[in-house]
Amino acid sequence: DAKTTQPNSMESNEEEPVHLPCNHSTISGTDYIHWYRQLPSQGPEYVIHGLTSNVNNRMASLAIAEDRKSSTLILHRATLRDAAVYYCITRETSGSRLTFGEGTQLTVNP
Amino acid sequence: EADIYQTPRYLVIGTGKKITLECSQTMGHDKMYWYQQDPGMELHLIHYSYGVNSTEKGDLSSESTVSRIRTEHFPLTLESARPSHTSQYLCASRETGISYNEQFFGPGTRLTVL
Repeated sequence: DAKTTQPNSMESNEEEPVHLPCNHSTISGTDYIHWYRQLPSQGPEYVIHGLTSNVNNRMASLAIAEDRKSSTLILHRATLRDAAVYYCITRETSGSRLTFGEGTQLTVNP
Repeated sequence: EADIYQTPRYLVIGTGKKITLECSQTMGHDKMYWYQQDPGMELHLIHYSYGVNSTEKGDLSSESTVSRIRTEHFPLTLESARPSHTSQYLCASRETGISYNEQFFGPGTRLTVL
């Protein structure tokens, strides 16, 4: 699994967009980019994943750089409930193990 | 909502006691995992299983043991709890397959060993 680098913390205001960056310069061609988040006192939950193309789902969007060495998780309108630690992980789809880094602690201000 | 359950949610126990943390999932997933997470720190994989009668040690060395006798059940046991075992333990499961399958996590068990 390629190593990922994320900022330790970020802040946002409620109802504003949030862009959470992730660097994965050693990513291989078969590694997917996964995002999970962990709300306070809960287990992590899946947010989104992608390989090469940008992806959208009901929770967020994932923008992947053309060289795939970085990606950005986009929350279009942050809510207080989005305050969590966000983890960016790269792994082959068929790989069995998710390796979590320190993630980014997102604070959402009312 | 993920159908993966952990009991107890909180456990305070004295040194030397044997404890078993329960994890069950009703999704029929073959792959199951145990992670350990200290407060404010990253998750570390301590055990995983690819199916019944399959168990493997994870990336972080742990004195705990696991078993997988039934698909839906993946308990973790500490034979003799110590204060250094104080942590949060998270169970997860995932479906097998070459297409993408997200990993579902339980709510965790917060263990305190006095």
